[in-house]
Amino acid sequence: DAKTTQPPSMDCAEGRAANLPCNHSTISGNEYVYWYRQIHSQGPQYIIHGLKNNETNEMASLIITEDRKSSTLILPHATLRDTAVYYCIVISNFGNEKLTFGTGTRLTIIP
Amino acid sequence: ETGVTQTPRHLVMGMTNKKSLKCEQHLGHNAMYWYKQSAKKPLELMFVYSLEERVENNSVPSRFSPECPNSSHLFLHLHTLQPEDSALYLCASSQVDSGEQPQHFGDGTRLSIL
Repeated sequence: DAKTTQPPSMDCAEGRAANLPCNHSTISGNEYVYWYRQIHSQGPQYIIHGLKNNETNEMASLIITEDRKSSTLILPHATLRDTAVYYCIVISNFGNEKLTFGTGTRLTIIP
Repeated sequence: ETGVTQTPRHLVMGMTNKKSLKCEQHLGHNAMYWYKQSAKKPLELMFVYSLEERVENNSVPSRFSPECPNSSHLFLHLHTLQPEDSALYLCASSQVDSGEQPQHFGDGTRLSIL
């Protein structure tokens, strides 16, 4: 799996958009970018994934640069319940590869 | 609600006890996983069952014994554990014939060994 780099922590004001960056400069052509988050005392929660096009679902948007070497997860209107550790992962096939979480970004939403 | 249910949520046991952790998935997936998450350490894959057959045993000590009776249920039997085994044990499931689809996790069992 390609290695990812994320800032260790970020703050965001409640109601604002939270933009979480991830660098994955060694990503290969068949690897997807996935985002998970882990709220305290809960298991990791899948958020979104993409290959090269931008993606949006009910939770977030994912913006992947054209060269695919970095991406940004956007939570459009952050709430206090979005406080969590966010993990960016690149993987080509969940069925056959080990899922490896790095240290992630601890996002704190400030009232 | 993630579709993956783990019980119990918390477990305290002595080093000589025998207990089991249970995981049930309601997503129709055909693969299930056990992970260990210790404080300040990355997630560690322990076991993988794909189509009810164990396909990965990641050098886990024999005091941990998995069981997968069907594609919806997964157990982790615990026996003679050590204090360093105290951790959050997470179960996940996925559909392995659709490689893009992500793993979905339960909320884990917080295990404390006295």
